[in-house]
Amino acid sequence: QSVLTQPPSASGTPGQRVTISCSGSGSNIGGNNHAYWYQRLPGTAPKLLIYKNDQRPSGVPDRFSGSKSGPSASLAISGLRSEDEAEYYCATWDDRRSAWVFGGGTKVTVL
Amino acid sequence: EEQLVESGGGLAQPGGSLRLSCLASGFVFKSYDFHWVRQPTGKSLEWLCGIPVAGDPHYPGSVKGRFTISRDNVRNTLYLQIINLRPGDTAEYFCARRNGKSGAFDVWGRGTMVIVSS
Repeated sequence: QSVLTQPPSASGTPGQRVTISCSGSGSNIGGNNHAYWYQRLPGTAPKLLIYKNDQRPSGVPDRFSGSKSGPSASLAISGLRSEDEAEYYCATWDDRRSAWVFGGGTKVTVL
Repeated sequence: EEQLVESGGGLAQPGGSLRLSCLASGFVFKSYDFHWVRQPTGKSLEWLCGIPVAGDPHYPGSVKGRFTISRDNVRNTLYLQIINLRPGDTAEYFCARRNGKSGAFDVWGRGTMVIVSS
């Protein structure tokens, strides 16, 4: 059971918008801690997509956007493309556990 | 190119030990914090430990003394020593660099697989 709760799957057709939620608590996202999002394509290293809730590293397409509200964070993928098929993980620091925690992951399928 | 390359994984016996290595290149190794994260097949990512530029390593309570992280700033290498291996330690192990500005794990290795089985 992960500390951060994500839906196990999400899907959409090419060009659609998909949103992935990440639900935490007051000791992590709901506190003063930022949310981070990582993408893992099969057989590759995790890749940073979003940092500090809504910031994109250089090189990440602006189709990816993040937001945070209360104890939850969200990742949106607009203009869905076949290469977006991957697992997506949210992460944050948890003050009570004094540890970095990850969500269970969401597998995005492009139909 | 900023790169991390893990090595040292493989098949290990329950109760045994392993030392994983992570060789960094393309950036100033000694200027960054580093972490180890693992992912059992079909499961999520799990943070194992971190080591700062200076100061003591940090472990979550769940690790319970079986993991030791260390760094060699001359060899640009990060290490993870695991003792008393259990089948539950079977996973892909990643090293990751933490960026002080963004707070994120911004560079990851491709991972090394550890299989604990008799």
